[in-house]
Amino acid sequence: AQSVAQPEDQVNVAEGNPLTVKCTYSVSGNPYLFWYVQYPNRGLQFLLKYITGDNLVKGSYGFEAEFNKSQTSFHLKKPSALVSDSALYFCAVRHDRGSTLGRLYFGRGTQLTVWP
Amino acid sequence: DTEVTQTPKHLVMGMTNKKSLKCEQHMGHRAMYWYKQKAKKPPELMFVYSYEKLSINESVPSRFSPECPNSSLLNLHLHALQPEDSALYLCASSFAGGAGGANVLTFGAGSRLTVL
Repeated sequence: AQSVAQPEDQVNVAEGNPLTVKCTYSVSGNPYLFWYVQYPNRGLQFLLKYITGDNLVKGSYGFEAEFNKSQTSFHLKKPSALVSDSALYFCAVRHDRGSTLGRLYFGRGTQLTVWP
Repeated sequence: DTEVTQTPKHLVMGMTNKKSLKCEQHMGHRAMYWYKQKAKKPPELMFVYSYEKLSINESVPSRFSPECPNSSLLNLHLHALQPEDSALYLCASSFAGGAGGANVLTFGAGSRLTVL
């Protein structure tokens, strides 16, 4: 079975502090991993993805994520949080490399709140 | 153009009505998707079209009828819906060829549907 887990429903952090949003995955073979962010009443926006290569992936708005194969994790990080980063964050995995289409499995989401 | 445009943004309909949701993109993407999202939950895949042909139907009730009239347009026809069908309906698109699993989905802002 292919899945991702986001163990925290809610993450709260003060502005200027580093933030981490956790994600672990379970997939047969090599995964394609994604992070999306959703602001209220909006669609999902792509932040970054891991396909292969360097385990540290840099994305939009200063976010980065580290792929850790031994721990099957793909945690989202940012060195200094902004109030405007407050949103719902989804980790997602695709497993069928080589297929032109594949189901994108989303985690349940983590609500990030950054307070001033 | 890097957007997926969805109309209408809001729709209220009775259980006997027939309505349609529309989605348009001009990024040359040949894969298009419909997702359903309940509040604070991850998106759930409904349908996938590849090169204007339906390739995935996630056992969606027949009161939802998708249509892909050309490579830029995707419709979702709604008929005899139930109140529990109220949700945010998201359209997405992506490249369909090559390393399909690595392709990023671009989401629209969604159509918020309320069924009375």
